[in-house]
Amino acid sequence: AQSVSQHNHHVILSEAASLELGCNYSYGGTVNLFWYVQYPGQHLQLLLKYFSGDPLVKGIKGFEAEFIKSKFSFNLRKPSVQWSDTAEYFCAVNANSWGKLQFGAGTQVVVTP
Amino acid sequence: DSGVTQTPKHLITATGQRVTLRCSPRSGDLSVYWYQQSLDQGLQFLIQYYNGEERAKGNILERFSAQQFPDLHSELNLSSLELGDSALYFCASSPRPGLQETQYFGPGTRLLVL
Repeated sequence: AQSVSQHNHHVILSEAASLELGCNYSYGGTVNLFWYVQYPGQHLQLLLKYFSGDPLVKGIKGFEAEFIKSKFSFNLRKPSVQWSDTAEYFCAVNANSWGKLQFGAGTQVVVTP
Repeated sequence: DSGVTQTPKHLITATGQRVTLRCSPRSGDLSVYWYQQSLDQGLQFLIQYYNGEERAKGNILERFSAQQFPDLHSELNLSSLELGDSALYFCASSPRPGLQETQYFGPGTRLLVL
């Protein structure tokens, strides 16, 4: 079955640590990939997206993600996290012409001061 | 602020009841998507409309229905509510459906069924 997998459900790290969140998908063919963030009590906000071209994409707030087609992966990274990065992060895949998103289960990230 | 608005923010109701959730898309967006976020199921796509017509269906129960009106706002109707319907319901919009479209999400409606 087509799916989106996020490897870690919970991540706890200290400020200034580096963050990497894994995302793998099982769709064949053309896919468009997204990372969304949900801060406590807020709605989903787009962090970054990949449609085509350079597989290393930069998003807002210092986040970046790398699309590795051979590994069906789209991992999110941030070199140095801040307390304000505490949030839930969702990987999403669009693999159909109608645009519906398939989301991963989410990763809850807690950054301690 | 994404430009997508949803009302109400919170809704508390009883089992067996019917509720209507409302979504207004971003200005210029013709496509509206509904998602359900629950602890056990995560974020799941429910249904999509484009310019008033239903275009895609996901894991939407028969007790649920939706429509998109000529002014492009959309309503999600949930009936015969059960405890398990308690969830956060998000609406998203994009200019049109398609692979290379970015969806912008509203603040959600938190539904609690008692």
